[in-house]
Amino acid sequence: EIVLTQSPATLSLSPGERATLSCRASQSVSSYLAWYQQKPGQAPRLLIYDASNRATGVPARFSGSESGTDFTLTISSLEPEDFAVYYCQQRRDWPLTFGGGTKVEIK
Amino acid sequence: EVQVLESGGGLAQPGGSLRLSCAASGFTFSNYAMSWVRQAPGKGLEWVSAITGGSDSTYYADSVKGRFTISRDNSKNTLYLQMNSLRADDTAVYYCARVLDSINWRYYFDYWGQGTLVTVSS
Repeated sequence: EIVLTQSPATLSLSPGERATLSCRASQSVSSYLAWYQQKPGQAPRLLIYDASNRATGVPARFSGSESGTDFTLTISSLEPEDFAVYYCQQRRDWPLTFGGGTKVEIK
Repeated sequence: EVQVLESGGGLAQPGGSLRLSCAASGFTFSNYAMSWVRQAPGKGLEWVSAITGGSDSTYYADSVKGRFTISRDNSKNTLYLQMNSLRADDTAVYYCARVLDSINWRYYFDYWGQGTLVTVSS
């Protein structure tokens, strides 16, 4: 099973700051990685798929990148609605797996 | 508007069974693979199972293989998850989710329901 390790577990930032979230895969997943946002009491929302493609309706401040088995979600300037938990997910192999999540909280 | 709505959650005893349903609307159901993803209270997301549009292939997490069965009825636009031999660690919110693009093997989830809570306890 492919293990996805997200860091940091918690990121404390202020609105307007840049957020950089990391997801490291235990083996190659090619570019087959997605990012989701989840707010309390809500279902997850797909943000990025295949490492760098924004899903429909996702603001341009969200971007994804990759370097080997390391993936990054960047939020260029945090809006109040961006404070949430973020998960990565790989589709390279079965079983599909998620990372443990990064909580972006207000500093 | 795409919508998926889960039902069937509730309290079950260890060793018992439950069947979850997911009613879909707003898209051609048979053209899309579907999946179940769960989230234990206060924990992260765990993929459970997936099924192709025509039901020709099914996939399971090791944690549920042999106990859970995914199926669908395209005439009713409904996805199911039959859960048998339930354990306490199956307690979670179960989400139904549409697969983004199974033709190109993009098994990501673009539409999610609000989830149904399954509690396994005596």
